[in-house]
Amino acid sequence: DIVMTQSPDSVAVSLGERATINCKSSESVSDFHTDKTYLAWYQQKPLQPPRLLISWASIRESGVSDRFSGSGFGTEFTLTISSLQAEDVALYYCHQHYTTPPTFGQGTRVEIK
Amino acid sequence: QQPLRESGPGLVRPSETLSLTCSVSGESFTSRDFYWGWVRQPLGRQFEWIGSFIYAGDTVYNPSLKSRVTISADTANKRFSLRLRSVTAADSGVYYCARQKYSARYSSYAFDVWGQGRVVTVSS
Repeated sequence: DIVMTQSPDSVAVSLGERATINCKSSESVSDFHTDKTYLAWYQQKPLQPPRLLISWASIRESGVSDRFSGSGFGTEFTLTISSLQAEDVALYYCHQHYTTPPTFGQGTRVEIK
Repeated sequence: QQPLRESGPGLVRPSETLSLTCSVSGESFTSRDFYWGWVRQPLGRQFEWIGSFIYAGDTVYNPSLKSRVTISADTANKRFSLRLRSVTAADSGVYYCARQKYSARYSSYAFDVWGQGRVVTVSS
């Protein structure tokens, strides 16, 4: 199984400041044949299901604020919240769907400082 | 109306079988453009994929659970079910049904639609 490791486990950022979450996969999740990177980011708020924010490592889903951006290739990825808002307080997860079984990171909690 | 909705017992006794159903609204259930699956979130934070199927196609399971899991579809009623046998306390958590797009070119996509989740506790 591909192991997804996020860092940090928790980050506290002042309102309006940048929050950065890292994700590393134990194997590459980028495919040269399809030219796709099979990495997604989710946001989860208490008592809610995950919400897909970013797919294919950097493609923002419809309706997702442009404060959220994803980057990376191969085994290292980053989710950036450019200007933290109160409604961004949540858990964030990376997820690879390149191989079976698909796997998830352990989550990063984003809080307000 | 929620596109996906889980239902089933919230309490299961140890060694018994956990059974959940996911009802699907919309027209995409019988499309071969989607995988339908189950993902759980045990106590704590990390998600674990259980298994998925595609209409009139294959069903794939997580090897870690394969010996205990069956996922089946009821096409007429647009729902699919999860059965997890011989449960223990470690199987407690929130169980989600979720959808993945599929294409022959790119294979599976991320999980783009999720149910609200069903909390299941394994306890005597």
